[in-house]
Amino acid sequence: GAGVSQSPSNKVTEKGKDVELRCDPISGHTALYWYRQRLGQGLEFLIYFQGNSAPDKSGLPSDRFSAERTGESVSTLTIQRTQQEDSAVYLCASSPQPGLAYEQYFGPGTRLTVT
Amino acid sequence: ILNVEQSPQSLHVQEGDSTNFTCSFPSSNFYALHWYRWETAKSPKALFVMTLNGDEKKKGRISATLNTKEGYSYLYIKGSQPEDSATYLCAFYTSGTYKYIFGTGTRLKVLA
Repeated sequence: GAGVSQSPSNKVTEKGKDVELRCDPISGHTALYWYRQRLGQGLEFLIYFQGNSAPDKSGLPSDRFSAERTGESVSTLTIQRTQQEDSAVYLCASSPQPGLAYEQYFGPGTRLTVT
Repeated sequence: ILNVEQSPQSLHVQEGDSTNFTCSFPSSNFYALHWYRWETAKSPKALFVMTLNGDEKKKGRISATLNTKEGYSYLYIKGSQPEDSATYLCAFYTSGTYKYIFGTGTRLKVLA
């Protein structure tokens, strides 16, 4: 079946511009996670959705970052006024339910480069 | 602050060698530990989900053990092959939250 998809796969943007990253989770998965990996660092939790609500936004690095999810499906991560330190691979993952030890299914990621 | 550490950071082994690496995590409020394999240009893929102290899981040549009392998990690869080359990540899931804390990974390169 279809896995998690993300778009775009690569995005180069100028400092100060806004970007939107999209994630399509596996159909029926209620839990959705966003992570990022900056060069030389581990996977960093950003935000978690249960259905369309986000009980845990604690990982969002600043108020320039926001995310939403609609229809218990697609999620978008928006970064406003991008900075060079936002350059990273942004990964989305979904799992059948939250709060249980289900494995996460990851998308291929969006590589964001801020120049 | 919850911290998950993996060692070594990177490892080169010869084809046919067996190898292992470590994931250390907080021993309190344990709920689950996941192992993922992340090959270059691909998505991370789950290897094991471990929830019970003393768990041992096996998939082909790869196996993992879990000690929740002392806060560590070992991943073993027997008879490494070049296709095992990847970054191996562990992720700790604590009760009371909905997030996974990932280690920085062990980057394995198997030389033919």
